[in-house]
Amino acid sequence: DGGITQSPKYLFRKEGQNVTLSCEQNLNHDAMYWYRQDPGQGLRLIYYSQIVNDFQKGDIAEGYSVSREKKESFPLTVTSAQKNPTAFYLCASSIGTGGTEAFFGQGTRLTVV
Amino acid sequence: GESVGLHLPTLSVQEGDNSIINCAYSNSASDYFIWYKQESGKGPQFIIDIRSNMDKRQGQRVTVLLNKTVKHLSLQIAATQPGDSAVYFCAESTFYSGYSTLTFGKGTMLLVSP
Repeated sequence: DGGITQSPKYLFRKEGQNVTLSCEQNLNHDAMYWYRQDPGQGLRLIYYSQIVNDFQKGDIAEGYSVSREKKESFPLTVTSAQKNPTAFYLCASSIGTGGTEAFFGQGTRLTVV
Repeated sequence: GESVGLHLPTLSVQEGDNSIINCAYSNSASDYFIWYKQESGKGPQFIIDIRSNMDKRQGQRVTVLLNKTVKHLSLQIAATQPGDSAVYFCAESTFYSGYSTLTFGKGTMLLVSP
């Protein structure tokens, strides 16, 4: 089955620790995205990547980092510099950027303890 | 599940009613728009899309209307069912630093009573 998979579904982090969220897609999509969702708010763009080995900052990139070494993978690292990391993180992919539907994973809920 | 519905505008309807969810977008240069449905604790699912050269598009039980003059988008759901209860987001395709990405609205929660 084609799709986009995020793992883990729930993640707990101690303050000061870096954590990495996984996102894998087998849709052969070029573009991948990371969004953050907080209660009562829409999705805010963290980072996006149009092709392998290339990525761009979104609206709220501070405290996050990404890599795009393979077409199917776009991991997101939440660093200790992110002051309020507790949120629901959504990964998406699309055939290209702009003018095409984005397919979403099921999300990772990150909680700082 | 995720409490993504906190503080969101809410539309409450009875089963069988028609629902209309509205969205104002910000960028007059946006040329592509999508409606997504998000159930609690899950990722958004595509419902329907429309390009700026159209003003109406229909799917199964859903219709999207686009008014570029006032930068307004609406989603109409016919014969609303309890399974339609979710948060609905509109998104616009926005040009950003040489690339296009999707910018999402804050969402509307739809509650359908049996």
